[in-house]
Parts: sequence; structure tokens; C-alpha cells
Amino acid sequence: AQSVTQPDIHITVSEGASLELRCNYSYGATPYLFWYVQSPGQGLQLLLKYFSGDTLVQGIKGFEAEFKRSQSSFNLRKPSVHWSDAAEYFCAVGEGSGGGADGLTFGKGTHLIIQP
Amino acid sequence: DTAVSQTPKYLVTQMGNDKSIKCEQNLGHDTMYWYKQDSKKFLKIMFSYNNKELIINETVPNRFSPKSPDKAHLNLHINSLELGDSAVYFCASSPSRGTQYFGPGTRLTVL
Repeated sequence: AQSVTQPDIHITVSEGASLELRCNYSYGATPYLFWYVQSPGQGLQLLLKYFSGDTLVQGIKGFEAEFKRSQSSFNLRKPSVHWSDAAEYFCAVGEGSGGGADGLTFGKGTHLIIQP
Repeated sequence: DTAVSQTPKYLVTQMGNDKSIKCEQNLGHDTMYWYKQDSKKFLKIMFSYNNKELIINETVPNRFSPKSPDKAHLNLHINSLELGDSAVYFCASSPSRGTQYFGPGTRLTVL
């Protein structure tokens, strides 16, 4: 069965500093990987996705992620965080071209805190 | 212009009651989903519908029943509500095997 691990429950970063959120997945076939962000009291917004091709994918809000098959990882990065980036971040894996009809399997999330 | 909408946003009810949450998408997607987010923010798929056909049904109590009157709507009916049903429920939609887009969520509180 597929699974996603986000090893960091909380991360605190100073505003302007760089950020990396870790995600490891377990999946039998080629994974289709996603990062979503959830601001307090809000729904989930897609930041970026990886289906195939270039392993470095660019997303919205200045985020990027790199797919590393050998490490089963899909870490999210941002060179300089802003206070508005404080939120819950979810990594997810799906089958087919992006989740298919079986739904996405989510990690437990990483809560990002931004220090002034 | 909202792509995926849910009503109501908040739902407070007593144990034993029956309630429904509505979901509509205007993206023309073929597949719709319901997810449950628990108090620890863990998200888990409950159901998905493709062209009015139930595709998956996770180990969800049969008190929960999805109903899709048409391709743009997937409503969630919950009978005999229990305390443990308190959670945030998210609707999502996707093209066939495509990226999923989520609604704003419905926070259900069972007293």
C-alpha cells in the first residue's frame, strides 16, 4: 500500500530564511506526487505536482520541489519565506495521472511557523 | 466563480441526528471525492464518484452515504451522527485521473 511520511511535525523558520520540508513516499509504481498548503481555517491549495519529466518542478508562491527516485523523496523548498507562508503543508501521492479515482494518500502534514 | 464549493461551512448538531453536506464543482470534472480531516489534521479519502458510479469506498461506516444527482454534485449524507464524526470534511474534484482541487471544507461538530 502506498504511504507518505512527513518526518517534521513542526518547523520554525525566520522570515527571509530558506525552507525545506521533507517528504518520503512508498509506492509500488511510478508515483504521482503533490504538495498542498492549508492556511488556518481554509481548504487545500495545490502548490505543485510531479507527474513525469523534469524532476525539479516549479509551483506557485515561489515554491519548488525535487523528485528523487533513489531516495523516494519529494522535498519542498523555498529560497526565502514570507510571514504569509505560515500554514500546514501536506505531501500526497496518487496513482494514475494524478490521483486517479482512488484518491490521494496524504502525509500527516508539517506545520510551518514563521518567526519575525 | 468558486471552482469547488461546499455548504454549509459549519455544521453543529446533536448526536443521533441525520445531516447532509453539499458539494458542487463547476470545473466540468469527471470525478469527485470526499475526504475527512480529523482533529490531528490527518486527511483520509472516504469516497470517490466517477460518472455517477462509486469507484472506491474505504472502510467508512455505512452511516455515511455519498449521493451524486449529476456530474457536478456529490453530496454526503450522514445518519445517526456520533461524537467521533466531528471533523472537517473536504470535497474535491478532478478530471479523470487528474489533479484534485479541493473545496473550502465543512467543519462538523457533533455534541
